[in-house]
Amino acid sequence: KAGVTQTPRYLIKTRGQQVTLSCSPISGHRSVSWYQQTPGQGLQFLFEYFSETQRNKGNFPGRFSGRQFSNSRSEMNVSTLELGDSALYLCASSLSQGGVNTEAFFGQGTRLTVV
Amino acid sequence: LAKTTQPISMDSYEGQEVNITCSHNNIATNDYITWYQQFPSQGPRFIIQGYKTKVTNEVASLFIPADRKSSTLSLPRVSLSDTAVYYCLVGSGGGADGLTFGKGTHLIIQP
Repeated sequence: KAGVTQTPRYLIKTRGQQVTLSCSPISGHRSVSWYQQTPGQGLQFLFEYFSETQRNKGNFPGRFSGRQFSNSRSEMNVSTLELGDSALYLCASSLSQGGVNTEAFFGQGTRLTVV
Repeated sequence: LAKTTQPISMDSYEGQEVNITCSHNNIATNDYITWYQQFPSQGPRFIIQGYKTKVTNEVASLFIPADRKSSTLSLPRVSLSDTAVYYCLVGSGGGADGLTFGKGTHLIIQP
């Protein structure tokens, strides 16, 4: 079956702009989580959506937001981009609400560069 | 979430068995132990999960002693393609904080 698909794979934006990233989970998976990965901070949890509702949120400013549609596809939006937002953004899907005891399937990520 | 400690890096050679140990002294009764593998510029990939004793699948084994304060990921007969970062995660369901990835262990396999 198809894996988690993230689009676009690469993106270059200018400071102050906003960006929207997309994630299509594995068919049948209802949970979608987003992570930011940078060399300095490692992998950090942004938020999780389950059945179109944000269930959990990490420690990120309000510029980072997301949503989930009825078909479980999810989008993540970052407004007023800063240089420090340059990172690999990863999406993970799972059958049930995410946790260590639930296998998460990650996409290949979107590499965002802010200039 | 239980804090985990694992070596920052390890080296080995093709064909060897590699064991990566993770310490988690504060593991809770309902916590599971899960390992992920990550290659550069890719998302992490689930390797194995366990609660106690030993778990084995087609790619690895996970050994968990009776006190569950540590766990060891065993990779049999590694190859160059096993060079990656390996993360040990400890926790339970609910996902309140998402998956907490530490620094992981950077495993380098040499010919």
